[in-house]
Formats: sequence, structure tokens, C-alpha cells
Amino acid sequence: SQKIEQNSEALNIQEGKTATLTCNYTNYSPAYLQWYRQDPGRGPVFLLLIRENEKEKRKERLKVTFDTTLKQSLFHITASQPADSATYLCAGPGTASKLTFGTGTRLQVTL
Amino acid sequence: DAGITQSPRHKVTETGTPVTLRCHQTENHRYMYWYRQDPGHGLRLIHYSYGVKDTDKGEVSDGYSVSRSKTEDFLLTLESATSSQTSVYFCAIKPGGAGDTQYFGPGTRLTVL
Repeated sequence: SQKIEQNSEALNIQEGKTATLTCNYTNYSPAYLQWYRQDPGRGPVFLLLIRENEKEKRKERLKVTFDTTLKQSLFHITASQPADSATYLCAGPGTASKLTFGTGTRLQVTL
Repeated sequence: DAGITQSPRHKVTETGTPVTLRCHQTENHRYMYWYRQDPGHGLRLIHYSYGVKDTDKGEVSDGYSVSRSKTEDFLLTLESATSSQTSVYFCAIKPGGAGDTQYFGPGTRLTVL
């Protein structure tokens, strides 16, 4: 069955560095991938969508890549700040307007 | 939270009792979803709706039922709650257009003792 995998449960990084989170997909070829941010006690919030024919997409300090050869998307936060600390979820299309989510990576940015 | 509210926000109940969670949207979107989120499992789809009275099962639908009699309300019912249904429940909506982007409510934390 199709899977979205985020193998890093947690990532700790120093303020000002670039955080890189990984999302892998297996057993299918998604037409797009999405990234969401989730803060403790709150629902996920949509950040970015990247389509399979787009190599890279940017939004302010965020950058997402889509590599169909490696079956992978990378999510970068440049010049990271403590306020970027959250869990980041990757999602890919399922059947019939559904999404399949990864288990998320918890990012902690320290001073 | 994109015009989505969930009620109650917190609930503690006992095994065997029925529980109904409500999701309300003000945006008039066709698609609505119920997920549960548990450590190590991420978000898992319970049921979804693609219109009034049109619903379908997700990957973890056993023990749950849903109803949608109005566009704005999507109800999730646990007919007889079990401890394995202790979880955080999120409702989501999907506006029209490509990309299937979903917008989530604030969640309901349910504890079944």
C-alpha cells in the first residue's frame, strides 16, 4: 500500500542554522506532496504544496524540493528560530480526495 | 482555524458509553473529514463526507459512525466507547480546487476510562 514516511521522529537544531526534514514515499507516485505545521494542542496548518514536475518551491524562509528519482521531498527552514519549533507533517494524495499523512518530525530550535 | 469549530474540546467518558463529537464549518465546503491522532501513528482517517448524507469509511472506521444531515455539520459517534479510542480527534475541511489541501479544526481530546 502507498506510504508516506518521515523517519526522523525528532530533530534538534541551533538557532540560525538550516533545518532539513525528510519525507519519503513508497509504492506510488504522488502527483504532489504537502507540508503542514502542527503546534502542541492545535490542528495541523497547511504550509506548502509541491507538484511532481516542480523541483523546488519557496515561501519566505521555507523551501521544499521534490525528487522523483529518490522518491523524496525535503523541507528546509533557513535561519531557523525558536518560533519554528513544532511538528512538521508531510502528506501525499490518497484515493478520492483523501490525504495520506506521515507520522511527523518534531523540530526543536534552541538558542 | 479556517472557520471550523469542534465540540467538545475535551471529554472524559467511561467504557461502554456512547459519545458524539461535532464538527461545524462556516465555509459551506463539500468535503469534511474525521481523523484521529495517536503517538507513533500520525493522523489516520476515520470517515469522510463528500456531501450531505454522502459518507465513506477511512482506514480506521471500526467502532465509529458518522452523519451529515447539513452541509455545515459532521458528527462522529462512538457507539460504545473503548479505551483504545482514547485519542485526539481532528476534523478537517477541503475547499474546492486541485491539491486536496485540507484545513483542520482545533481538535477534541477524548479520554475513555
